[in-house]
Amino acid sequence: GQNIDQPTEMTATEGAIVQINCTYQTSGFNGLFWYQQHAGEAPTFLSYNVLDGLEEKGRFSSFLSRSKGYSYLLLKELQMKDSASYLCAVREGTNAGKSTFGDGTTLTVKP
Amino acid sequence: DAGVTQSPTHLIKTRGQHVTLRCSPISGHKSVSWYQQVLGQGPQFIFQYYEKEERGRGNFPDRFSARQFPNYSSELNVNALLLGDSALYLCASSLGRTNTEAFFGQGTRLTVV
Repeated sequence: GQNIDQPTEMTATEGAIVQINCTYQTSGFNGLFWYQQHAGEAPTFLSYNVLDGLEEKGRFSSFLSRSKGYSYLLLKELQMKDSASYLCAVREGTNAGKSTFGDGTTLTVKP
Repeated sequence: DAGVTQSPTHLIKTRGQHVTLRCSPISGHKSVSWYQQVLGQGPQFIFQYYEKEERGRGNFPDRFSARQFPNYSSELNVNALLLGDSALYLCASSLGRTNTEAFFGQGTRLTVV
């Protein structure tokens, strides 16, 4: 079966750094996505990792270890607008439109 | 360029009724996927269509069906609605069948009463 685990909630302070972890057990692996979703809105793409290592994109970085079935999203210099749900998703095959999502981590940034 | 557009944005239906949700992908995108997102959970894959053919199906009952039109827009149909079908229905488009990135529409919020 497929299993993707993320913490349910996290809280951090404006200006700080936060790391959101994701572990997965899936029948196949062809890439891991991170999406940001504000309440009542659609998920927006943040990052995609298919090889081991760290991908950096501005304030956001994503790390992948395929051997450990583990990824994290690192958010630096937190801003109030970063308060949102962060979704980890695994693409198991080559089908771009089919991903298995975790239930998301709700991040609250406090002043 | 317009992004992925979905209609309607909100919908209230009664148990047992039928509903049709619509999605227009980004211009040039040929793949459309449908997801159901229940409050507090991540999106669950329902269908993918590419070049008007079903390319993937999630673990949903036969009450759920979809189709893709020659202009690559898509409809999701749900028959015999249940209270548990209340959710945000998301459409995602991607350029091809195996491209890396999928772009989500704003979703249709379906409430079944």
